[in-house]
Amino acid sequence: EVQLVESGGGLVQPGRSLRLSCAASGFTFDDYAMHWVRQVPGRGLEWVSGISWNSRSIGYADSVKGRFTISRDNAKSSLYLQMNSLRAEDTALYFCAKGQGGTLAEADYWGQGTLVTVSS
Amino acid sequence: IQMTQSPSTLSASVGDRVTITCRASQSISSWLAWYQQKPGKAPNLLIYTASNLKSGVPSRFSGSGSGTDFTLTISSLQPDDFATYYCQHYSSSPYTFGQGTKLEIK
Repeated sequence: EVQLVESGGGLVQPGRSLRLSCAASGFTFDDYAMHWVRQVPGRGLEWVSGISWNSRSIGYADSVKGRFTISRDNAKSSLYLQMNSLRAEDTALYFCAKGQGGTLAEADYWGQGTLVTVSS
Repeated sequence: IQMTQSPSTLSASVGDRVTITCRASQSISSWLAWYQQKPGKAPNLLIYTASNLKSGVPSRFSGSGSGTDFTLTISSLQPDDFATYYCQHYSSSPYTFGQGTKLEIK
């Protein structure tokens, strides 16, 4: 059974940093692309970032480019999102999602999310 | 690339046939997915590459389109289908979502 468990969320002040983690199990992690998608409660989905199976292809939303960095450790079956210079508008539930293939495309399994709140 | 869904809200009854539209601001070939999300839950993939049904998804769901115009059709609404639906392109980064269509019980 595919499982994706996000962690690292919490309350953080504007301008500070936070690192999200996603622990994956139930599939061969290094065969698949991975994504981060966020959602303000009660609002729509926003794709944040994605990384291919071999980390050679990476993409970011314009709203986070230059502030967020996605990475993966295939040996640990883990996905990360380093978030710097956080803003109030980054407040959201952050989902980790598994790609259906090794390249950046659709996501077929999702975690339950970790909540990030940026506030002073 | 901007993705625009219509309508934003759709009221329908069990047994109805419903169609949700997604329009891309430029051609995305067939690089489009549809997701279903229920309150308090993560999204579920329904359709990928515009018209391919994910394994395990009921056959009453179907997708069509290419280029800039796409549709998600539910042939006969079931009680479990009342949810919010999103399209997402993956033609080129950033892979934006549509704003969502909330399907409500009439």
